[in-house]
Amino acid sequence: EVQLLESGGGLVQPGGSLRLSCAASGFTFSSYAMTWVRQAPGKGLEWVSSIGSAGTFYTDSVRGRFTISRDNSKNTLSLQMNGLRVEDTAVYYCAKGSHISSAEPVRWGQGTLVTVSS
Amino acid sequence: DIQMTQSPSTLSASVGDRVTITCRASQSIRSWLTWYQQKPGKAPKLLIYKASSLGSGVPSRFSGSESGTEFTLTISSLQPDDFAIYYCLQYNSYPFTFGQGTKLEFK
Repeated sequence: EVQLLESGGGLVQPGGSLRLSCAASGFTFSSYAMTWVRQAPGKGLEWVSSIGSAGTFYTDSVRGRFTISRDNSKNTLSLQMNGLRVEDTAVYYCAKGSHISSAEPVRWGQGTLVTVSS
Repeated sequence: DIQMTQSPSTLSASVGDRVTITCRASQSIRSWLTWYQQKPGKAPKLLIYKASSLGSGVPSRFSGSESGTEFTLTISSLQPDDFAIYYCLQYNSYPFTFGQGTKLEFK
């Protein structure tokens, strides 16, 4: 059974950093693209970043501040978030793609809450 | 960037109704569109991929279709478990973009 378990969320001050992790199991992690999607409180879904055979991709508002990476030996996806802003406050979901070359989310983790506030 | 315009934002319906939700892309996305269902406090769940392919374990009352840049999610006979928020996503090109969501509520 596919399982995705996010961790690393919490309360951080504006300008601070957090590193989110997503532990994957139940599938061959290295064979699939992975994606981060976020949802601000009471708002809709927003694609944040993906990593796959074509490389890494970011939404404009996080490019240069966030870095997506993966450790295939540990079946772990990460999102390093620097220079956090109040508007980055959201639940962050890790999601598995359908193929190494296709990052559309097909299975989602339960999410981890990031709160940026002074 | 490709814009996804989803409508309606809210839909009131009753058990047994047939409902449709629409997403319109600002340019061609071929068939690279998914539909998700999200319930309060839960992660989204994949319903439809590649515009019209049913996700694993998804009831057959859900279906997707496309006509050019207009995509439709249809629920043929609403069940109590279907009252939720629905989102479309285009994955034709980066940045991926979601529709604004449709809240399906009891009439």
